[in-house]
Amino acid sequence: AQSVTQLDSQVPVFEEAPVELRCNYSSSVSVYLFWYVQYPNQGLQLLLKYLSGSTLVKGINGFEAEFNKSQTSFHLRKPSVHISDTAEYFCAVSNTGGFKTIFGAGTRLFVKA
Amino acid sequence: IAGITQAPTSQILAAGRRMTLRCTQDMRHNAMYWYRQDLGLGLRLIHYSNTAGTTGKGEVPDGYSVSRANTDDFPLTLASAVPSQTSVYFCASSENGGVDTQYFGPGTRLTVL
Repeated sequence: AQSVTQLDSQVPVFEEAPVELRCNYSSSVSVYLFWYVQYPNQGLQLLLKYLSGSTLVKGINGFEAEFNKSQTSFHLRKPSVHISDTAEYFCAVSNTGGFKTIFGAGTRLFVKA
Repeated sequence: IAGITQAPTSQILAAGRRMTLRCTQDMRHNAMYWYRQDLGLGLRLIHYSNTAGTTGKGEVPDGYSVSRANTDDFPLTLASAVPSQTSVYFCASSENGGVDTQYFGPGTRLTVL
């Protein structure tokens, strides 16, 4: 069975500071990893995904994530955040041919001026 | 392009009543999904459909049913609502499963009293 753990439920950070949102997963098979963002009162939208190849994945809005197989992690990073990055971020895992994507509980990023 | 539409936007429902949440996509995606989002639990998959005419159970299917008569529509029915079904419900679609990005609707906020 697959599972996803987001290690921080809330992350407050000042504008223009760097941020890292942590995600660990468990799976007995090869996985695909995703980060989605949810802005207030909206549905989720994809930030980035890891399928194969380079372990450093770049996404939209300046975010990037690194797949670390040995540590079973897929942490999301941004070198300098903006007020507009305030949102909830979800890490998710899926597998080849499957339809059951497992989402983490979410991390609420709050960017302060 | 509308993407995914959900109706209603919100609903207050008496316990024991029947309710159908509607979901329509215009992207001709094969796969569709229903999730519920609860604070601290992230998104949990209720049911999915990998193609028209075929459905499957997710993590939390009890008390819910779905149908997929055509490619575009994927309604979710609560046969006899209970207060524990109070949640925000999201419909999503993807071209297929596994590696494909999921596109989410705006959600339906359901309160069961």
